[in-house]
Amino acid sequence: GAVVSQHPSRVICKSGTSVKIECRSLDFQATTMFWYRQFPKQSLMLMATSNEGSKATYEQGVEKDKFLINHASLTLSTLTVTSAHPEDSSFYICSARETPGSNRGTNQPQHFGDGTRLSIL
Amino acid sequence: AQKITQTQPGMFVQEKEAVTLDCTYDTSDPSYGLFWYKQPSSGEMIFLIYQGSYDQQNATEGRYSLNFQKARKSANLVISASQLGDSAMYFCAMREGMTSGNQFYFGTGTSLTVIP
Repeated sequence: GAVVSQHPSRVICKSGTSVKIECRSLDFQATTMFWYRQFPKQSLMLMATSNEGSKATYEQGVEKDKFLINHASLTLSTLTVTSAHPEDSSFYICSARETPGSNRGTNQPQHFGDGTRLSIL
Repeated sequence: AQKITQTQPGMFVQEKEAVTLDCTYDTSDPSYGLFWYKQPSSGEMIFLIYQGSYDQQNATEGRYSLNFQKARKSANLVISASQLGDSAMYFCAMREGMTSGNQFYFGTGTSLTVIP
């Protein structure tokens, strides 16, 4: 079945370091990818919507210069946390929506990566 | 094997009727949590309901209830008295182990359309 590979699964680094997280769809094309950050009580905050070949759409309150998103191909989106600080420590998860036009019509399945646990010391 | 399976890519329900969204899971961990999220077209993920593997009773949150059948490894979401605003994608998810930070496993979602 369709798989989304998110890498790395865990990162521990010093404050001020930039960290890149990759989200890759392995056997399908994803025009749209989403980046989420997990907060307490299981809520998942949408950070940005990444569309292949265009600039990401950031949600209100999310600093685009802090969280750089690049969706360079139909199978890869990256999130770079620049100059990370302890308050950026969290669980980040991506998801990829299959490109419209598949047999499923408009009900495109969405596939999630396994997440990245980011810890900034 | 898939950790979370949602077999209904799309569902339709008449307004004010109840609807059940299916979810089955696979785990050998005796301790796990099951979640349902609602995703409107905006992409945000709205947490709806949670069921712990040791919970004795089915979880309920307003119009949402979780039909937890542990032996069958199913965690179906029941939405009662459907409203037009319920039209969205719905995702079932599982977290193995009860320590925070464990990764989530998500299903591929069910698109629910509520018909007036």
